[in-house]
Amino acid sequence: EVQLVQSGAEVKKPGESLKISCKTSGYIFTNYWIGWVRQMPGKGLEWMGLIYPGDSDTRYSPSFQGQVTISVDKSISTAYLQWSSLRASDSAMYYCAKQDLRAWGQGTLVTVSS
Amino acid sequence: DIVMTQSPDSLAVSLGERATINCKSSQSVLYSSNSKSYLIWYQQKPGHPPKMLINRASTRESGVPDRFSGSGSGTNFTLTISSLQAEDVALYYCQQYYDIPYTFGQGTKVEIK
Repeated sequence: EVQLVQSGAEVKKPGESLKISCKTSGYIFTNYWIGWVRQMPGKGLEWMGLIYPGDSDTRYSPSFQGQVTISVDKSISTAYLQWSSLRASDSAMYYCAKQDLRAWGQGTLVTVSS
Repeated sequence: DIVMTQSPDSLAVSLGERATINCKSSQSVLYSSNSKSYLIWYQQKPGHPPKMLINRASTRESGVPDRFSGSGSGTNFTLTISSLQAEDVALYYCQQYYDIPYTFGQGTKVEIK
């Protein structure tokens, strides 16, 4: 069974850094792209970018280019989304999704507040 | 980027009645090599990730009730719920995966009248 399990909710202050994770199982991690999606409170879905774990080829949506970094650790079949300096506007639910878009993580809620 | 526009933003339908949601892309998402439109319909309920209902514009996912159907090709698409049930109250999104960045419609809220 394909599973994507995301790390738990985070509460951070503006300016802090953060790295959230998406641990996968049930398929060959290096063979499929993984994407990240943002959903701000009460809002719609926004595609942030995706990464191919086989060679770490990464494509960002223009809206998120330079704002976040997507990475993987092949040894533990895990993808990451990170921020170097959080803003209040980064407060949202973040989802990871496997290439076929059938399997999604449960979401990680990020709250940024002073 | 390909812009996806859904209509309406919300609709209220009586139980057992038909619900229709439209999705228009700013450019074609039809792959000429296989004549498939790279368009997905999702259902999202509060506190849950999106759930794929329809892939490639008209292929219903396994386990999805047959009251859900998708149609269209190229730039214009429709999701139809033939007989609305109480459990269908949710947000519905279309998404194109023809080109990166994959983009979503803004969502349509379906409620019971």
